[in-house]
Amino acid sequence: GAGVSQTPSNKVTEKGKYVELRCDPISGHTALYWYRQSLGQGPEFLIYFQGTGAADDSGLPNDRFFAVRPEGSVSTLKIQRTERGDSAVYLCASSPSDRNTEAFFGQGTRLTVV
Amino acid sequence: AQSVAQPEDQVNVAEGNPLTVKCTYSVSGNPYLFWYVQYPNRGLQFLLKYITGDNLVKGSYGFEAEFNKSQTSFHLKKPSALVSDSALYFCAVRDPNSGGYQKVTFGTGTKLQVIP
Repeated sequence: GAGVSQTPSNKVTEKGKYVELRCDPISGHTALYWYRQSLGQGPEFLIYFQGTGAADDSGLPNDRFFAVRPEGSVSTLKIQRTERGDSAVYLCASSPSDRNTEAFFGQGTRLTVV
Repeated sequence: AQSVAQPEDQVNVAEGNPLTVKCTYSVSGNPYLFWYVQYPNRGLQFLLKYITGDNLVKGSYGFEAEFNKSQTSFHLKKPSALVSDSALYFCAVRDPNSGGYQKVTFGTGTKLQVIP
């Protein structure tokens, strides 16, 4: 597709359940980022991939959060034992390898934990 | 550590008047700076960036921003505001010397309200 695609657009889950959020980056973009945006806040960095490897996962809040990008394209953010505090919009972005280039964002997945 | 501050939660401006949305940054080296806009229920859209060169950067939709190294600022400006400019604006910084990766840190956002 022409832009970054995130699915689902909305996800409601019960506390304690496991969820997966998918990101399909722009074709050819080697860098992929996950951010979390809580209501009234700016996007908060979670993890950055360069190719298949997680180059920086310093933003993941705890070990319930995990992300993969096995083939260097699609990425999945996985959250185990969800908590109400995990409710937020999860944003994915991608960019070419040139670090001078801006990131292109998807529309996000709104996760609600009830 | 890199950081960005947007001191105003909201900016109100009359349609046709010039607008300024403020941003200051903190990085260890020379920064890469970005402005993004977010419309309701939409993802972030890139407006403009400063990497190097001319301190005045022009971007999408008539917006521009001025990089001021001495004041560590990167304020967003537009000569004449439109009602359609009403949205949430985010300033962001990347420290190119921070270990080779591309972590971008965002500010908390400024809501721009253009009044007809």
